[in-house]
Formats: sequence, structure tokens, C-alpha cells
Amino acid sequence: QKEVEQDPGPLSVPEGAIVSLNCTYSNSAFQYFMWYRQYSRKGPELLMYTYSSGNKEDGRFTAQVDKSSKYISLFIRDSQPSDSATYLCAMSAQGGSYIPTFGRGTSLIVHP
Amino acid sequence: DTAVSQTPKYLVTQMGNDKSIKCEQNLGHDTMYWYKQDSKKFLKIMFSYNNKELIINETVPNRFSPKSPDKAHLNLHINSLELGDSAVYFCASSHDGANQPQHFGDGTRLSIL
Repeated sequence: QKEVEQDPGPLSVPEGAIVSLNCTYSNSAFQYFMWYRQYSRKGPELLMYTYSSGNKEDGRFTAQVDKSSKYISLFIRDSQPSDSATYLCAMSAQGGSYIPTFGRGTSLIVHP
Repeated sequence: DTAVSQTPKYLVTQMGNDKSIKCEQNLGHDTMYWYKQDSKKFLKIMFSYNNKELIINETVPNRFSPKSPDKAHLNLHINSLELGDSAVYFCASSHDGANQPQHFGDGTRLSIL
């Protein structure tokens, strides 16, 4: 079992839909959780960065962490065609190596 | 005003050649990284430098040699290129300290013929 599991998709939704992207993980030491967005032929761009459990909201994006279930989510409200990209989750433990472990990314397609 | 810039964007070359990729960041970060992203989109850390010192060297063939002339630059030299080296190579940087989020360049697409 990989440390971080993420369904590669593609996930195809109509414009305006609420999108839910998820990752599960096995390392209970993970405390820092990140979501990156990667457009085609571009580098990953940091979207959300959270510590420990709970929710964090930024505009149309909400990141949710459930450490008891080892499950994180990214919700996108009122999705737009410009949200079409690959979304990668990443997480790291407190102390020790601070290199995050990345999921393989979920490809999202928002069609007009 | 690009934050993390890599050159070249595309690199097509033959097996056995030696090539270099350059990376520069203007964010004032102390730590820089090289990642390899394969065709399945997995991002794998290769190297990490902090203030020009190598701090992480994952299991990477010694044909790959990073060099950091100063903390704003991290270059990657690859000797004797092999077919399996075809991938997208990303440079990233972050502030010093544990668990700082990373800022990525747009990648160098390396294709080996």
C-alpha cells in the first residue's frame, strides 16, 4: 500500500458543480497537508496548506482533514472550466524529513 | 518576475549524451529541490539543498549530479542519458525549516531518443 493514495480520475463534472477530491494515507505521523493544482505543462501550484485536523476555506476552495480516518478532502464550489487541472495532495510529518509525500494527482475536467 | 524558473523547457537528446538543466529562484528561499515526475504523474524527490549544502539525496543513480553555486541556483547534470530518464524534471524551493510549502518551476520535459 502506498503511503498516499489518490484516485487518478479523470473526474468530469458540469460547470457549477461542487467537486470533491480526496486522498487517503497510512502514516499517522502526517500533520501537514497540502493541495496543489497542476495545469497541463505547468508546475504544481500551492492551493491550500493546513496543519492537523479541521477545515480551512479560501474563496471557492475548502480543505478538510480527518486525521482519525486518515482522509483529506478538497472541495471546490461553483466549479469553472478554468478549474480543469490535476490536483495533487501532499503531506508531511512534524520533525524529521520535511519532504512531503505526494499523491499521484486527480485529473479534473469541468465542462461548460 | 517568475519565481522559480527552469531552463530549458524542453530537452530532446540521444541516449548516452550528457545534459544539464538549470534552475533559479528569486523568492529568497534557502532550500531548493529537484523532483522527477514520471508518465503516471508521481512526483519523486531526487535531491534537496539548503544554503548550497546537499541535505537529501534519495536513491538516484550517480549519473545525476546536482550543483548549487549559490542558494538561488540549483542545477542538475545528467551523464550517459538512458531511455528511462525520460520524464519531467521539476525544480522547487521553500523557506528554511520543516514543512514549509514548496514553490515549483514549470518543469523541463526531457525526452531520450
